[in-house]
Amino acid sequence: SAVISQKPSRDICQRGTSLTIQCQVDSQVTMMFWYRQQPGQSLTLIATANQGSEATYESGFVIDKFPISRPNLTFSTLTVSNMSPEDSSIYLCSARQGNTEAFFGQGTRLTVV
Amino acid sequence: QKEVEQDPGPLSVPEGAIVSLNCTYSNSAFQYFMWYRQYSRKGPELLMYTYSSGNKEDGRFTAQVDKSSKYISLFIRDSQPSDSATYLCAMSADAGGTSYGKLTFGQGTILTVHP
Repeated sequence: SAVISQKPSRDICQRGTSLTIQCQVDSQVTMMFWYRQQPGQSLTLIATANQGSEATYESGFVIDKFPISRPNLTFSTLTVSNMSPEDSSIYLCSARQGNTEAFFGQGTRLTVV
Repeated sequence: QKEVEQDPGPLSVPEGAIVSLNCTYSNSAFQYFMWYRQYSRKGPELLMYTYSSGNKEDGRFTAQVDKSSKYISLFIRDSQPSDSATYLCAMSADAGGTSYGKLTFGQGTILTVHP
């Protein structure tokens, strides 16, 4: 199994600012994903972080709002840009090796005030 | 209609009960099925992973997949208060295409096991 470390674990941010979330996996993985979990809701996929190329975004999510980097096979960042209270959510990093099990980090709990 | 449907509960059972959690889905391309447990303020923790149809058992947990009915289940035997959490089903399609590796989640079922 993969161990995924996310930081920060939580943050309170002012509207209009940006926050970058880091995700570190303890082994090389083919796929990394970013999900959002709004209060009381299930997980929604934001994007697939592609190593060495631009991320692939799901419908309703755009690069200008959620820029993603993945410089290597163990690390990725998600930035939440120009934040508003509607961005208050838990952001989760996930790693998966092919069609095997998918593992998750502990999440970043973001509150925008 | 959502691709994956899961009864959100909440579900409350006494300690020692057998718990049955279920999901239905509409996408026949789904081949990989997972159950996660999520405690409050924590990330999802993988409980069970199965491929295609059949049963898989791990301790007190049994996962069943019936692809012909597009129906999956998780059974928890001898439930404990420590099992109180939100349970999420998730599934993904086979290799290839733009959906490769992506998980689609159910809404999650909130379970409380009371002593």
